[in-house]
Amino acid sequence: DAKTTQPPSMDCAEGRAANLPCNHSTISGNEYVYWYRQIHSQGPQYIIHGLKNNETNEMASLIITEDRKSSTLILPHATLRDTAVYYCIVRATLTNAGGTSYGKLTFGQGTILTVHP
Amino acid sequence: GAGVSQSPSNKVTEKGKDVELRCDPISGHTALYWYRQRLGQGLEFLIYFQGNSAPDKSGLPSDRFSAERTGESVSTLTIQRTQQEDSAVYLCASSWGIGYTEAFFGQGTRLTVV
Repeated sequence: DAKTTQPPSMDCAEGRAANLPCNHSTISGNEYVYWYRQIHSQGPQYIIHGLKNNETNEMASLIITEDRKSSTLILPHATLRDTAVYYCIVRATLTNAGGTSYGKLTFGQGTILTVHP
Repeated sequence: GAGVSQSPSNKVTEKGKDVELRCDPISGHTALYWYRQRLGQGLEFLIYFQGNSAPDKSGLPSDRFSAERTGESVSTLTIQRTQQEDSAVYLCASSWGIGYTEAFFGQGTRLTVV
């Protein structure tokens, strides 16, 4: 799997948008970008994923550059409960006659996001 | 159950003893993962089961570590002759596998080797 690079930490004011960058310059064509987060003392939680188009769900938006070498996770209105470690992961896929299967999730060090009042 | 269940939630063991950690995945999930997370560190991949395929054991740190899974049900991670550096939270996750992408994590087992 391709490796990712994230800043070790970021701060954000409550109510503001949090923009978390991720570099994945060696990503392959069959690899998706995933974001997970881990709130203190809990297991990681899935946030969003995408291949090349921008994606949005109830939690966040994912912006992927046209060359797919980097992406940004956007939390539009950060709250104190969004304080967590955010992991950007590149994950391989394999599609054959049996359907699509997904490679293992390999977590890096992530970004510690601190949302302050 | 509604989510991934791991047991025990906490385990204290003496150095040199064997331990077994259990993971009950979400019913129907074909993929199952084990990770280790040392205090203040990121998640370290250990092993990955996907359906009937041979498991990906590339992350197991030594031959003291092994894991089994029967079909698409419970998985057991076994650590033999535990060492103090094995102290960590061991996390299990499962996903549908084919056609689905989100992995659901359990709350983990905190292992302390004294």
